[in-house]
Amino acid sequence: SQQGEEDPQALSIQEGENATMNCSYKTSINNLQWYRQNSGRGLVHLILIRSNEREKHSGRLRVTLDTSKKSSSLLITASRAADTASYFCATDRSSNTGKLIFGQGTTLQVKP
Amino acid sequence: DADVTQTPRNRITKTGKRIMLECSQTKGHDRMYWYRQDPGLGLQLIYYSFDVKDINKGEISDGYSVSRQAQAKFSLSLESAIPNQTALYFCATSHENQETQYFGPGTRLLVL
Repeated sequence: SQQGEEDPQALSIQEGENATMNCSYKTSINNLQWYRQNSGRGLVHLILIRSNEREKHSGRLRVTLDTSKKSSSLLITASRAADTASYFCATDRSSNTGKLIFGQGTTLQVKP
Repeated sequence: DADVTQTPRNRITKTGKRIMLECSQTKGHDRMYWYRQDPGLGLQLIYYSFDVKDINKGEISDGYSVSRQAQAKFSLSLESAIPNQTALYFCATSHENQETQYFGPGTRLLVL
């Protein structure tokens, strides 16, 4: 069974707009990670946020974590056509077990 | 990223056949993982290995077996393939002190 629920399942926006995708999970976690997958390819790590952190930035990415609500959001600002991909959250329940539990993903389409 | 390679990239097989998917890495990581991804879904963990002598079952290990031949090599076998094992299979690696996982390009498997 999968830990996370992602919302929305699909998102279509124009280039330059911001994209927000959400992830909810069921159990306590040590950290939450976001990965990107281009169509049919391997996943690429984007950003990791630990359970004692509330917000983290990396370039055009902003991740928030609310452990009381068991939810996280990924914001991509000023989106580009090249951001078109699927985005997955993954939770690590204990300290560095290596056992990531993935959500079902959000498919983002950025129209030029 | 050529640091994690998977062979074959595509495979068609028949029900009942035994097949092996191979993963090699040049990242020097101790930890290796096998996941499967079904269409429109996230990844599910099949098996993981923290070193050559340490192999563990993941969420969905039934019908699969693995072999860690060396630090750099981790193979996944389907003893008797069935159609519902048709999926995209990913290998991943991580360093023991880091939570980030690095994924291979995937093997697309079709079981007829």
